[in-house]
Amino acid sequence: NAGVMQNPRHLVRRRGQEARLRCSPMKGHSHVYWYRQLPEEGLKFMVYLQKENIIDESGMPKERFSAEFPKEGPSILRIQQVVRGDSAAYFCASSPPGVHSYNEQFFGPGTRLTVL
Amino acid sequence: AQSVTQLGSHVSVSEGALVLLRCNYSSSVPPYLFWYVQYPNQGLQLLLKYTSAATLVKGINGFEAEFKKSETSFHLTKPSAHMSDAAEYFCAVSRSGANSKLTFGKGITLSVRP
Repeated sequence: NAGVMQNPRHLVRRRGQEARLRCSPMKGHSHVYWYRQLPEEGLKFMVYLQKENIIDESGMPKERFSAEFPKEGPSILRIQQVVRGDSAAYFCASSPPGVHSYNEQFFGPGTRLTVL
Repeated sequence: AQSVTQLGSHVSVSEGALVLLRCNYSSSVPPYLFWYVQYPNQGLQLLLKYTSAATLVKGINGFEAEFKKSETSFHLTKPSAHMSDAAEYFCAVSRSGANSKLTFGKGITLSVRP
């Protein structure tokens, strides 16, 4: 059973470009979480999605950021018109459905975004 | 609202010495508590978790943590440090229910001296 997959692992963008980060959850997992890790800081929750639904986006910046988890395919975190402050490591985590999961989340290796 | 405090950003121990990494939490409801480890340029790996069963939780790689409600603490310990334990450690809290988003502390970097 493959783990959580994220690609690309490293992404370089110039200011004003768009960044698209992909996350494929573990097989059988239907919950996806995105977190951002800024330098010298812990991980901050961004958004929680289930298939075709955004459940909680309370951690998402109001502008330029969006996320989706379509019925087929990976979850996508999209950042439009990137700025230098968006440079960070972005982690995706997945968890299985049902209350017996005890909220355990399995993390991917992250995408490290650098904005020039 | 929930929060996690990990005092200090760096702990250094000698190989074979006790490892103690502190974590205090704040939660208005009974929490679920986690310790994750992150090696350089990698994702997070779960070390152990508390989910309201036994208060002393044993995890992987010889780590354990004790949930103390009266102290709102969930400190991570290991009796004897190994060089391979050098990494960054994150304490996190969540709540039971459909939305189990994690709130992380800032993390502690553990160095192990030979």
